[in-house]
Amino acid sequence: NAGVTQTPKFQVLKTGQSMTLQCAQDMNHNSMYWYRQDPGMGLRLIYYSASEGTTDKGEVPNGYNVSRLNKREFSLRLESAAPSQTSVYFCASRNSAGQGSTDTQYFGPGTRLTVL
Amino acid sequence: RKEVEQDPGPFNVPEGATVAFNCTYSNSASQSFFWYRQDCRKEPKLLMSVYSSGNEDGRFTAQLNRASQYISLLIRDSKLSDSATYLCAVTPNTGGFKTIFGAGTRLFVKA
Repeated sequence: NAGVTQTPKFQVLKTGQSMTLQCAQDMNHNSMYWYRQDPGMGLRLIYYSASEGTTDKGEVPNGYNVSRLNKREFSLRLESAAPSQTSVYFCASRNSAGQGSTDTQYFGPGTRLTVL
Repeated sequence: RKEVEQDPGPFNVPEGATVAFNCTYSNSASQSFFWYRQDCRKEPKLLMSVYSSGNEDGRFTAQLNRASQYISLLIRDSKLSDSATYLCAVTPNTGGFKTIFGAGTRLFVKA
């Protein structure tokens, strides 16, 4: 049981390049999330997927797209990377899809992205 | 005003000390509350959920004050290994599936 896995762990891009961050969970969780974490800003939600087949914008969705490929996988795509997207990206999953769920989130190890 | 606010610290305490962190939230309809621990360059991990009646897990005690809209974390008998960033998290009742995280409080425990 690996929990939440993310690839790659590190990435350096040039401005304008595109890439996809991969996330998978093996806990049969319904909900999955993408966050970015910047110094002093905490975790900010980019996109989330309450259940397979649905995705919704979070707090900072501009410049990103997501795909909930199946129940296990949730990818994050940067179509044209910008220096402002330099950050640490965390994927997370949670079991319950209900509103106001008390279930905790489990995080992947993160992807450290630098855009030059 | 941010939805969830924490004192960024750092808090520098000697081993054995008791230290407390507070976290305020703005949405009075918030339903679920958590404390996460994040080590340097690692992912956040759940430390404990916070229940209305307060709860304790070993040296850690979490409390919720709905009237004043804050949660607290008390660490007794601090260990060097407690050095980390502590994030509070709040799930609004109207927020559906989203959890709002504070920016974290850094704790350094010194020998």
